[in-house]
Amino acid sequence: GAGVSQSPSNKVTEKGKDVELRCDPISGHTALYWYRQSLGQGLEFLIYFQGNSAPDKSGLPSDRFSAERTGGSVSTLTIQRTQQEDSAVYLCASSLEGASGVYEQYFGPGTRLTVT
Amino acid sequence: AQSVTQLGSHVSVSEGALVLLRCNYSSSVPPYLFWYVQYPNQGLQLLLKYTTGATLVKGINGFEAEFKKSETSFHLTKPSAHMSDAAEYFCAVSEEYNFNKFYFGSGTKLNVKP
Repeated sequence: GAGVSQSPSNKVTEKGKDVELRCDPISGHTALYWYRQSLGQGLEFLIYFQGNSAPDKSGLPSDRFSAERTGGSVSTLTIQRTQQEDSAVYLCASSLEGASGVYEQYFGPGTRLTVT
Repeated sequence: AQSVTQLGSHVSVSEGALVLLRCNYSSSVPPYLFWYVQYPNQGLQLLLKYTTGATLVKGINGFEAEFKKSETSFHLTKPSAHMSDAAEYFCAVSEEYNFNKFYFGSGTKLNVKP
């Protein structure tokens, strides 16, 4: 079946502009995750959703970052007033929560965000 | 909060040699543990995982990892490296009481020399 998809694959924006990044998880996956991968660094956990709710938003770097998920499916990560330090690859992953205690995440290809 | 340490951002081995990539975590509570691999220009994919049971877990492509609670480690090994193993490897650990929150190490790039 189809994997996790993300759009756009690349986004170049000017400092101060808002951007929206989209994630389409694997159908039926109830958990959805957002990560940020900066150059030369590991993945930084941002937020995860169980269904449409986000129990833990503590990973969001600042109040300029927000995320929502609707219909238990598509999720949007919004960055307001982008800064150059926001430049990174934003990865989305989904998992079939609670299936036999397996918490394998399936990752999308990522959105490369460049703030100029 | 958990922390994950991967010793060595770059590891280079000869083809046919042993691969050892190190991962240590901070929690005293046994978490769920994962190794992911990212091949050049590809997304992350799961290599292997430990949740419960046998502490030696086998993954794809001949890799295996052993969970050692006393050492809070989950090192990844492969007896004989292949050129196709060249990739970046990430260790990931779940939070102690929140198995839906994960912490990733900073990654280790494996180079395999002919």
